[in-house]
Amino acid sequence: DQQVKQNSPSLSVQEGRISILNCDYTNSMFDYFLWYKKYPAEGPTFLISISSIKDKNEDGRFTVFLNKSAKHLSLHIVPSQPGDSAVYFCAASGQDNNDMRFGAGTRLTVKP
Amino acid sequence: DGGITQSPKYLFRKEGQNVTLSCEQNLNHDAMYWYRQDPGQGLRLIYYSQIVNDFQKGDIAEGYSVSREKKESFPLTVTSAQKNPTAFYLCASSPGLANYEQYFGPGTRLTVT
Repeated sequence: DQQVKQNSPSLSVQEGRISILNCDYTNSMFDYFLWYKKYPAEGPTFLISISSIKDKNEDGRFTVFLNKSAKHLSLHIVPSQPGDSAVYFCAASGQDNNDMRFGAGTRLTVKP
Repeated sequence: DGGITQSPKYLFRKEGQNVTLSCEQNLNHDAMYWYRQDPGQGLRLIYYSQIVNDFQKGDIAEGYSVSREKKESFPLTVTSAQKNPTAFYLCASSPGLANYEQYFGPGTRLTVT
């Protein structure tokens, strides 16, 4: 039962344009959401997070938007750079990390 | 240079053999986790440990065992009882169970034939 879904397995974007990665969740008890980035042969690294009391969190080129009523979050990368090419995982959690659920990931390719 | 190490990167075993995957962290984190990743699926929690000498089953613990004798180390044994052991295994740690950001190791790809 996949409680966190990333419906696009891949996304290709031109350098300098916006990348939008989407994530949907089903469990209304989730109250903390994260994005992780993974390069080949490395473990995922934390990118940005948002708690359910906010609808937007920004960190440099990365912005995460949360729509609680739609149970949807998105990651915007502006402007996209070739170094952003990686697999991006969405994760959602309730009270503790043992509740955390991960999406299957979206492979982003940024073309020069 | 703090971090999490997992070894080996690739592991091959014959069916019916137990195999132990190593995970070491020098971040002084209390909580550690083991995840499994299969193609087209998100990470699934196998076991987690909040503190030394304590660990709890995650969503897919059957066929796996762990130990937490030292804060730095959380080895995972894939037993012969695990029906589909071929997968990519990731170890992670966090300062505590309530600290959502986890730090991941590079992973071990296990192939059982």
